[in-house]
Amino acid sequence: SQTIHQWPATLVQPVGSPLSLECTVEGTSNPNLYWYRQAAGRGLQLLFYSVGIGQISSEVPQNLSASRPQDRQFILSSKKLLLSDSGFYLCAWAPGTDTQYFGPGTRLTVL
Amino acid sequence: AQSVTQLDSHVSVSEGTPVLLRCNYSSSYSPSLFWYVQHPNKGLQLLLKYTSAATLVKGINGFEAEFKKSETSFHLTKPSAHMSDAAEYFCVVTSNTGNQFYFGTGTSLTVIP
Repeated sequence: SQTIHQWPATLVQPVGSPLSLECTVEGTSNPNLYWYRQAAGRGLQLLFYSVGIGQISSEVPQNLSASRPQDRQFILSSKKLLLSDSGFYLCAWAPGTDTQYFGPGTRLTVL
Repeated sequence: AQSVTQLDSHVSVSEGTPVLLRCNYSSSYSPSLFWYVQHPNKGLQLLLKYTSAATLVKGINGFEAEFKKSETSFHLTKPSAHMSDAAEYFCVVTSNTGNQFYFGTGTSLTVIP
């Protein structure tokens, strides 16, 4: 069966520091991968999605970036965090054009 | 363009009474539609999905939803609410390519004992 992992589960970072969140999927190949952000009390905002290695589509211009160095690995990064980057970050995968399956999320607090 | 509108940001029901969470969608094609549930500080769990088969879709935990093309609606229902149903619920529609998923703003369900 397929599983999706995210780490870390929680993170507290100072403003201006770098960020790296990792997401990996097991038990499938060539999945579509997604990064979402959920601000407190808000819906989900799609940040990036990828249909293959090295293929990244950005939905919202901001100081975040994403990379997919391996088929089942998706990384969300920032060179300098802003206060507004605080939120709950969710990674998801989909077997092509079908249901998305979500990871457990990373709670990021920028102070 | 495709979008979803969740008509209620918050719904409160008493335990044992029916649940109705409303969702309307806008799409220029025949979309796939989903309902997800999110408990506090957790990831999202799929409740059910509609992909152009039967219009009445049964999901987990006693939830079901009916796709009504004429009303462009996909409302989520459950006959009898349980305390464990208290959570945030999201209605989702896919893009025409199926690679992107558009989320509603969510409905927070409170179940009163």
